[in-house]
This record gives sequence, structure tokens and C-alpha cells, in this order.
Amino acid sequence: QVQLQQWGAGLLKPSETLSLTCAVYGGSFSGYYWSWIRQPPGKGLEWIGEINHSGSTNYNPSLKSRVTISVDTSKNQFSLKLSSVTAADTAVYYCARGTITMVRGVKNYYYYYMDVWGKGTTVTVSS
Amino acid sequence: SSELTQDPAVSVALGQTVRITCQGDSLRSYYASWYQQKPGQAPVLVIYGKNNRPSGIPDRFSGSSSGNTASLTITGAQAEDEADYYCNSRDTQGVFGGGTKLTVL
Repeated sequence: QVQLQQWGAGLLKPSETLSLTCAVYGGSFSGYYWSWIRQPPGKGLEWIGEINHSGSTNYNPSLKSRVTISVDTSKNQFSLKLSSVTAADTAVYYCARGTITMVRGVKNYYYYYMDVWGKGTTVTVSS
Repeated sequence: SSELTQDPAVSVALGQTVRITCQGDSLRSYYASWYQQKPGQAPVLVIYGKNNRPSGIPDRFSGSSSGNTASLTITGAQAEDEADYYCNSRDTQGVFGGGTKLTVL
């Protein structure tokens, strides 16, 4: 059974760089989109970005200038860096495994879902 | 557009049926996935694809889609179904709906 274990600094000062890592245990690393999602206190989920095993990335346009997601396939790990953090970046950060599958038909349709999640890391930005 | 719209709150009487909807242009190409989140816990995938349930998800949860609208239906809602529900889709990047808080009365 695939498990994701995540870790990183939980308390940052404004302007510092958030750094989190997620390790994948018990399953293949290739063929998936390894994702980061966050949830500010009392608010909804926000998709941050994703990376596949070959290093191809997609980012949320609203965060793109500050986000870097990288992968270390030798360790089955992927990481998130978010620079120049402010109080608005205070949130629970989750890593997750994403899958995209195309269903061929008269009109091609896609499945996209995240079926395995880490437990979350609370990150607080405060001076 | 990468936006998904959900009703903020829905309520259902115990044992009755409730439908939670999600609207967005990306749903014309991507089936929505649905996540249940209880306080202090990570989201859990409950429906994906046309109408697929991961192992361990009760069959009272079902999904459907038409045009730019996806729906999650709970048939015979139980007290333990009270939670926040999020839809998720993508085009060039992923996106979540704002979430629906389900209250079971």
C-alpha cells in the first residue's frame, strides 16, 4: 500500500523560503503526478503544483513566480520550495499522488484524481 | 477557465439523499474527482472518473456528470458523512472547488 510521508520546517519568518519534502513508500514512482496542495486555516484546498518522474512540472499561475517543485527519483522523493513567504502562506500543506488517464471515445475524456495523500504539515509564517 | 463552483453549504436529513454539485468549464473534458474532508484530517478521495469508488468507500456515494456540471450523490446519508466535500479537476493545472459543508440533520 502506497504511503506518503512528508516533513519540513513548520515555523517561518516573512521573506524566508518554505521547504517541504514528501517520500513515497510502497509503490511505483513513475506514471504519476506528484502534487502539492495547501489549505489556509478555515479555508478550502488550493492546488499548488505537480511534477512527474521525469521532472516535468505544472504550477498554479498565482504562485508560479515563487514555487519550485523538484524530484529525486533515486530516493522516491519530491520537494516543494516556496520563496518570499508571507502570513498569507500560513496553511496546512499536503503532498498527494495524482493520476491522469485518457478515456478514448467519440470525445476523448480524462480522469484526474489524487488517491493517496500525506498527513499534512502545518506551516506558520510569523515574525 | 480553471474555476470550479460549489454551493458553500448543504444539509440533509439522516437517511435521505443529497446531491452536491460542481460547475466549471474544465468538466467538459475532465471528470471531476470528489474528496471528503473531516476536521483535522487530510482529504479522502471518494469518487473519481465517470463513477468510480476507491476501495473502502461505501456504495452510497456515487458520481455523475453532464456538460459543465459534476455531481456527488449520497444515497441514505449517515451521520459520519457530515464533512466538507471538494470537487477537483484540471486543464493545464489542477483546481479545486471552494468546498461544500454537508450537515446531516
